[in-house]
Amino acid sequence: EVQLVESGGGLVKPGGSLRLSCASSGFTFSTYSMNWVRQAPGKGLEWVSSISSGSDYIFYGDSVKGRFTISRDNAENSLFLQMSSLRAEDTAVYYCARAPGHGENSMDVWGKGTTVTVSS
Amino acid sequence: DIQMTQSPSTLSASVGDRVTITCRASQSISSWLAWYQQKPGKAPKLLIYKASILESGAPSRFSGSGSGTEFTLTISSLQPDDFATYYCQQYNSHSRSFGQGTKVEIK
Repeated sequence: EVQLVESGGGLVKPGGSLRLSCASSGFTFSTYSMNWVRQAPGKGLEWVSSISSGSDYIFYGDSVKGRFTISRDNAENSLFLQMSSLRAEDTAVYYCARAPGHGENSMDVWGKGTTVTVSS
Repeated sequence: DIQMTQSPSTLSASVGDRVTITCRASQSISSWLAWYQQKPGKAPKLLIYKASILESGAPSRFSGSGSGTEFTLTISSLQPDDFATYYCQQYNSHSRSFGQGTKVEIK
C-alpha cells in the first residue's frame, strides 16, 4: 500500500525550531518529487515547499522562504522540513504529498498530517 | 505569483443537483490545474489533474474543464458523500498555489 506518514509536530514557542519528517512506503520514493502543504485551523490549503526526486530543484512559498528548509533522504525513503524562526502564523496541520511524476505535478498521495502549534 | 480565485466560497445544494465550481487564475496556467476534495479532519484527495483528467478511483460524476485562466469542476449528480470542501491548485509555476476553497453544504 502506498503510504505517507508525517511525524515531528508539537508545541513550540515563537522563535523556536522544529523538524518534521515524512516516511514513505509502497512506492519507489527516490523517483518522485515531493511537497509540503499546510492548513491553518479553519483555513484553506497553503503550499509550503517542493523538492525534486534528486534534490536538484527546491522551491518555497514566500511566507516560509529563508526560515524553512526542505530535504530528503532517498536511502531512508524520507522527506523532511526543518522549520526555524517559527511564528504564531505557522500554526497548522502540515501534510506531505507526492507528485505523480512524468511531468505531472499535482499531488496524488497525501499523508494524514502532523500538527504544529506555535505559542508561548 | 499566480493567484487562484474560486467561486462561490459556499454552495448549498441538494442530493441529485448538478453543481459547478469555478476557479480563475491571475495569469495563464495552460492546463496545469488540479482539483481536490477535503472532508473535515482528513487529508485532501486528488479528483482531477491536468484540468480534465479524472484521477483513478474518483467517481465519474466528477468532471473538469477549462484552460488558460478559467476552469470548472462539475459534479453531475450530487451524492451524500460529496458534501465537502473543494480546492483548485495550479502547478504551472514553481510556486504551486491553491484557491481559497468552496464548501459544498446540504441545502
